[in-house]
Amino acid sequence: KNEVEQSPQNLTAQEGEFITINCSYSVGISALHWLQQHPGGGIVSLFMLSSGKKKHGRLIATINIQEKHSSLHITASHPRDSAVYICAVSDYGGSQGNLIFGKGTKLSVKP
Amino acid sequence: NAGVTQTPKFQVLKTGQSMTLQCAQDMNHNSMYWYRQDPGMGLRLIYYSASEGTTDKGEVPNGYNVSRLNKREFSLRLESAAPSQTSVYFCASSSEGLARMTEKLFFGSGTQLSVL
Repeated sequence: KNEVEQSPQNLTAQEGEFITINCSYSVGISALHWLQQHPGGGIVSLFMLSSGKKKHGRLIATINIQEKHSSLHITASHPRDSAVYICAVSDYGGSQGNLIFGKGTKLSVKP
Repeated sequence: NAGVTQTPKFQVLKTGQSMTLQCAQDMNHNSMYWYRQDPGMGLRLIYYSASEGTTDKGEVPNGYNVSRLNKREFSLRLESAAPSQTSVYFCASSSEGLARMTEKLFFGSGTQLSVL
């Protein structure tokens, strides 16, 4: 069983739609990260959160520690949001070096 | 504003050849990491360095060696490349270690390596 599961694997949306990407995990965590991988391959860290909710522009990330679940929302989606979104968790009992990564959700926003 | 600089961007090797991937960060970060990314799989940690002078194995260290040359630089060496090492490699850094951390990860732009 994968320790970090993302859904959906692929998502196609029309410009302007509200988008939700989900991440469920099975380990105790100290933090959860949302990353964005651009079509060119570069990876950017969007959020790091350990509780509650964070917002940056049109992006909102929430986490429910009790349910071991996080969501990434994109409001008023735009074609430039097309990317792979990756969830990763810092395993509380793990080594200093490791994050556990999900396989990513590929988002395509059509104009 | 360089952040994490990784070279080369592309490399093709023949089985048995050796090469070194270079990584440098200018953010005065203590911790540096090497990941590989394969189709259908999440990023996997090869090696990491929690601080200058220390290195530790990650999830998939076999076939690789690393050197933390100084606080800025962390290199990954393939001594005898194999087709199974065809992958995209990412270097990353963070201010502190990842367990119990509250810091973001910063990534290099990646190296696409093909081993024939």
